[in-house]
Amino acid sequence: EPEVTQTPSHQVTQMGQEVILRCVPISNHLYFYWYRQILGQKVEFLVSFYNNEISEKSEIFDDQFSVERPDGSNFTLKIRSTKLEDSAMYFCASSEHPRGPREAFFGQGTRLTVV
Amino acid sequence: GIQVEQSPPDLILQEGANSTLRCNFSDSVNNLQWFHQNPWGQLINLFYIPSGTKQNGRLSATTVATERYSLLYISSSQTTDSGVYFCAVGPYGGATNKLIFGTGTLLAVQP
Repeated sequence: EPEVTQTPSHQVTQMGQEVILRCVPISNHLYFYWYRQILGQKVEFLVSFYNNEISEKSEIFDDQFSVERPDGSNFTLKIRSTKLEDSAMYFCASSEHPRGPREAFFGQGTRLTVV
Repeated sequence: GIQVEQSPPDLILQEGANSTLRCNFSDSVNNLQWFHQNPWGQLINLFYIPSGTKQNGRLSATTVATERYSLLYISSSQTTDSGVYFCAVGPYGGATNKLIFGTGTLLAVQP
């Protein structure tokens, strides 16, 4: 069964460093997303990406964050100058074309710890 | 924006018991999904159910979109059902397929 895969599963970084979280969405999906879950809280939408550009972003997704589809299979989230409060589980998700089924499929997550 | 409320917030069951989890949302939606977050933090798709009723083994779900709620039924619960159950909705007419998550129901099934 097709699945969304994320790497790495865990990452520890020093405050102020840049991190790149990687995702491989399901191959025939056209919408890609990043979500964040701070420990013990609900899952929050960060950004959606369609047709090689950001289609929607939340207030959380400020200039510290950027997304990219560097090739035909990968989708990345870059966090510049990480802060302690960026520690969270980051989920990548994908879904088919908006006129198709809207079901989103999530990766297993990357647990980011900023020290 | 749309509000998603889940109840109860916490639930403790004995193995073999049945339960009903509820999700209320404040506006029209064109997507509703139920997830199980396991102890490792993974989000497991349970149902894609913007309307109607579906069943998958011991789990079933019903969404009444006109009344803005969804129910998740767990029958004959097992210890492996423990974890957090999230409801997430996609606002109707939204620019993208983003999901708004509820705060979850923490389920503990005791042997």
